[in-house]
Amino acid sequence: DQQVKQNSPSLSVQEGRISILNCDYTNSMFDYFLWYKKYPAEGPTFLISISSIKDKNEDGRFTVFLNKSAKHLSLHIVPSQPGDSAVYFCAAKNQGAQKLVFGQGTRLTINP
Amino acid sequence: DADVTQTPRNRITKTGKRIMLECSQTKGHDRMYWYRQDPGLGLRLIYYSFDVKDINKGEISDGYSVSRQAQAKFSLSLESAIPNQTALYFCATSEPGTGIGEQFFGPGTRLTVL
Repeated sequence: DQQVKQNSPSLSVQEGRISILNCDYTNSMFDYFLWYKKYPAEGPTFLISISSIKDKNEDGRFTVFLNKSAKHLSLHIVPSQPGDSAVYFCAAKNQGAQKLVFGQGTRLTINP
Repeated sequence: DADVTQTPRNRITKTGKRIMLECSQTKGHDRMYWYRQDPGLGLRLIYYSFDVKDINKGEISDGYSVSRQAQAKFSLSLESAIPNQTALYFCATSEPGTGIGEQFFGPGTRLTVL
């Protein structure tokens, strides 16, 4: 039972345009949502998070939106840069279990 | 120096062999985790430990065991490796508490079981 789903395995965006990565979840007990970025031959690194009591969090070029009624969150990157090419994982933290549940990942490619 | 280190970085082994993957951290975190990454499946939790005396199974613990030798060290063992354990393995750490639950990952070990 996949509690966190990223339905797009890959996404290709032109440099300078907006990249939108999507994530859906099923468990209403998740209290925080996180995005991680992973380059080849490296471990995932934390990018940005959002609390379940908010609907938007912004950090520079990165903005995460949360729609609780739809159980959907998205990561917007604008403008997209070549260094943004990586695999992005959506993760959710269960309020009680104190563990992270990860999605399958989306490979983002920024084309010059 | 890296805060979370994993050894080895790459390993090729044969079916039936015992293998140990090691993780060390200098972040001073009590919580440590082992994940595996497979294409199309994301990161799946194998085992986790909230302190030296606390070991818990994750969603895919069958075929694996762990040892928490100290606050800073958490090892993952495959007692008898099989080909479908070929994957990228990551160790991670986090602080206790009810915050966002951010985890810090090591660079990974690429394991191939022939």
